Amino acid sequence: DIQMTQSPSSLSASVGDRVTITCRASQSIRSYLNWYQQKPGKAPKLLIYTASSLQSGVPPRFSGSGSGTDFTLTISSLQPEDFATYYCQQCHSTPGTFGQGTKVEMK
Amino acid sequence: EVQLVESGGGLVQPGGSLRLSCSASGFTFRNYAIHWVRQAPGKGLEFVSCISSNGGSTFYADYVKGRFTISRDNSKNTLYLHMSSLRIEDTAMYYCVKDLEPAVFGVLDYWGQGTLVTVSS
Repeated sequence: DIQMTQSPSSLSASVGDRVTITCRASQSIRSYLNWYQQKPGKAPKLLIYTASSLQSGVPPRFSGSGSGTDFTLTISSLQPEDFATYYCQQCHSTPGTFGQGTKVEMK
Repeated sequence: EVQLVESGGGLVQPGGSLRLSCSASGFTFRNYAIHWVRQAPGKGLEFVSCISSNGGSTFYADYVKGRFTISRDNSKNTLYLHMSSLRIEDTAMYYCVKDLEPAVFGVLDYWGQGTLVTVSS
């Protein structure tokens, strides 16, 4: 199985900050990388798919980049509703493994 | 509006069995692969199983292989997960999830609200 490693595991930030989360795959997954946001007690929500495509309805302050093994999720200006946990997931091969998550907390 | 509604979770003893269901509406169910993803309390997301649109192909994570069986009834727009020989470590919220597009496997665009399975004596 392909292993996905996110960093950092958690971060503290303020409203308006630029936030970057990285995800590394144990082997090349080309651009088959998705990002999800999960808030407490809620199901995850798809933000970005195939590395850089913004899911419909997701604010443009979210962006994704990368290919091969290294990927990045960027929030250009953190908003109060963005405090949540973020997961990367590869869909290059089954099983579609997830990263361990990055919790974005208020500083 | 897309809806995925899971049911069938509950408290079960170790070694017991449970059948989860996922009722779908708002999209052409028979055209989409569907996945089960779980999340243990306070932990991350974990793939469990998936099934192709016509049910002809299935896949299981190693930690449930031989114990869980995924199936679907496209005439009823319903997905199932038969769980047997349950272990304490199977305790989790189980989510039913559809793909973004029929031809795009593994991009999980819509998640149900989940059903909680608790394995405990």
